[in-house]
Amino acid sequence: DAGVIQSPRHEVTEMGQEVTLRCKPISGHNSLFWYRQTMMRGLELLIYFNNNVPIDDSGMPEDRFSAKMPNASFSTLKIQPSEPRDSAVYFCASSLHPGAAGYTFGSGTRLTVV
Amino acid sequence: RKEVEQDPGPFNVPEGATVAFNCTYSNSASQSFFWYRQDCRKEPKLLMSVYSSGNEDGRFTAQLNRASQYISLLIRDSKLSDSATYLCVVNHSGNTGKLIFGQGTTLQVKP
Repeated sequence: DAGVIQSPRHEVTEMGQEVTLRCKPISGHNSLFWYRQTMMRGLELLIYFNNNVPIDDSGMPEDRFSAKMPNASFSTLKIQPSEPRDSAVYFCASSLHPGAAGYTFGSGTRLTVV
Repeated sequence: RKEVEQDPGPFNVPEGATVAFNCTYSNSASQSFFWYRQDCRKEPKLLMSVYSSGNEDGRFTAQLNRASQYISLLIRDSKLSDSATYLCVVNHSGNTGKLIFGQGTTLQVKP
């Protein structure tokens, strides 16, 4: 099993540009989570999906952020327009169900907005 | 108040030392508890679940005190390879809930 796959690993973009982060969860996992990690705020849950349906997006910071899960094997997190304060590591994780202990995280996307 | 609070440390200890981390959570309805480990510039990984009766995995012991709403992790005979950030994690609502992560406690084990 290849685990949770995220791309790109690193992204540097200019303020105002659109950024799209991608995630492929582990096959058979029904839940997918997007987290953001910064030194100041730690790991914050942005949104999670169960069976491809968004369940809780209360952590999405503002309208500039959107997430989709068109099928069980793919999800995107989009930031449009990006701002320097969006710079962080964005992790995608998947699990069998939302409350499972064993979240498997991807390697993360390190985003820098200049 | 944060939902899950940890002392960020860092804890600097010599090899072989015993070190303990504590964590408090605010939601008394929380049902499941875990410790994750995160190495520098890596993703978090599950270290162990925490059960009401306490549980042990080798050199690691986790305890839960529901009345006081705190969780602890004890590491005995610490190794250089234990150097990492330890994240306290809480699930509010069982199978329908989501995991809330503390900010983590950094451990540095020195030779």
